Amino acid sequence: GQNIDQPTEMTATEGAIVQINCTYQTSGFNGLFWYQQHAGEAPTFLSYNVLDGLEEKGRFSSFLSRSKGYSYLLLKELQMKDSASYLCAVSDSNYQLIWGAGTKLIIKP
Amino acid sequence: TAGITQAPTSQILAAGRSMTLRCTQDMRHNAMYWYRQDLGLGLRLIHYSNTAGTTGKGEVPDGYSVSRANTDDFPLTLASAVPSQTSVYFCASSDSETGDSSYNEQFFGPGTRLTVL
Repeated sequence: GQNIDQPTEMTATEGAIVQINCTYQTSGFNGLFWYQQHAGEAPTFLSYNVLDGLEEKGRFSSFLSRSKGYSYLLLKELQMKDSASYLCAVSDSNYQLIWGAGTKLIIKP
Repeated sequence: TAGITQAPTSQILAAGRSMTLRCTQDMRHNAMYWYRQDLGLGLRLIHYSNTAGTTGKGEVPDGYSVSRANTDDFPLTLASAVPSQTSVYFCASSDSETGDSSYNEQFFGPGTRLTVL
């Protein structure tokens, strides 16, 4: 079967760095997405990785290791507005997105 | 630019009644999707459409139907609602078709919160 695993909840301090991990087992792989979802709102796109390595975009970076079925999202200089759920999704062999349940990130002052 | 709009924002529905959730996008995207999101679960695909005139079943299609008469609209119909269909429903679109590109970033509407009693 297809499976995406990510921690249910994480807590971090404002100004700090946090790493949210995602492991996956899917039928085929055509890229991995990270989305941010604030409570009561729609998911919004953060990053896309299809090749191994690190993609950096401002305070956010995303890493992929296809051989390990592993990705992480790194958030630096945390701000209170980063309190949200972070969703990992893999594009499978049919180019459909398989979604993890999301990681709720709580930022404390 | 509106992007993707959904209606209604929320609805309380009696079990056994039918309802259509509306979704309209103005980005001329080929592909559109309907998901449901339940607490503790990831987004689950209900139905999708790679292009106008075609539709396909996702992971959880039972009890739902869709149509794609044109590029912009992708309504989702519940023929006879049941309490297990209580959920938040998101419509999404992307500018790619299956097999066309591995990069299929999806853009989401604001969601419809449906409660079936």
